[in-house]
Amino acid sequence: QKEVEQNSGPLSVPEGAIASLNCTYSDRGSQSFFWYRQYSGKSPELIMFIYSNGDKEDGRFTAQLNKASQYVSLLIRDSQPSDSATYLCAVMGRDSNYQLIWGAGTKLIIKP
Amino acid sequence: GAVVSQHPSWVICKSGTSVKIECRSLDFQATTMFWYRQFPKQSLMLMATSNEGSKATYEQGVEKDKFLINHASLTLSTLTVTSAHPEDSSFYICSAKSDSSYEQYFGPGTRLTVT
Repeated sequence: QKEVEQNSGPLSVPEGAIASLNCTYSDRGSQSFFWYRQYSGKSPELIMFIYSNGDKEDGRFTAQLNKASQYVSLLIRDSQPSDSATYLCAVMGRDSNYQLIWGAGTKLIIKP
Repeated sequence: GAVVSQHPSWVICKSGTSVKIECRSLDFQATTMFWYRQFPKQSLMLMATSNEGSKATYEQGVEKDKFLINHASLTLSTLTVTSAHPEDSSFYICSAKSDSSYEQYFGPGTRLTVT
């Protein structure tokens, strides 16, 4: 069974520090990787996607992908209290009809 | 860009009635739409995948006769919860993707309460 694993947290980070969120996946054939942010009571919002090994940066966010280790991470620089949310990792495999396999999410708390 | 709307944002209905939820892609053509359900403090659960003009593909354990999905156009999909029961109370969220990318964009969700 294809799985995506995340530490449920909560992960507590001081304001201004770097928050590091991690995700591992079991299907070596996975090709596309997504990070979503979900505030309590709201629907998920796409933050980053990454398809190739290495780093991808967008503002304060950096996604890192290591296909050999089946590992994807999200770094949030200069963390703000508004970054407090649950971060969901999602993975799309080959021949999946574009369906995503979801992690359970990591709850991030940024402390002022 | 990539805006998805849902209507209604919340609905309360009586047990035994049916409820229709609409999902629209506002600024792109959604060849594939997905319907999810999320219970409090749990992760997203995919219910079904629909491609425009085709019958939806339901996930194991999701009753297709109870959760009717119609994806009749490239901008609209509907989910009808038939003969709703209190255990159907949940947060229903749709997402959509275009033909030109892999990203799914989510609607704001519909909170259904069945009394």
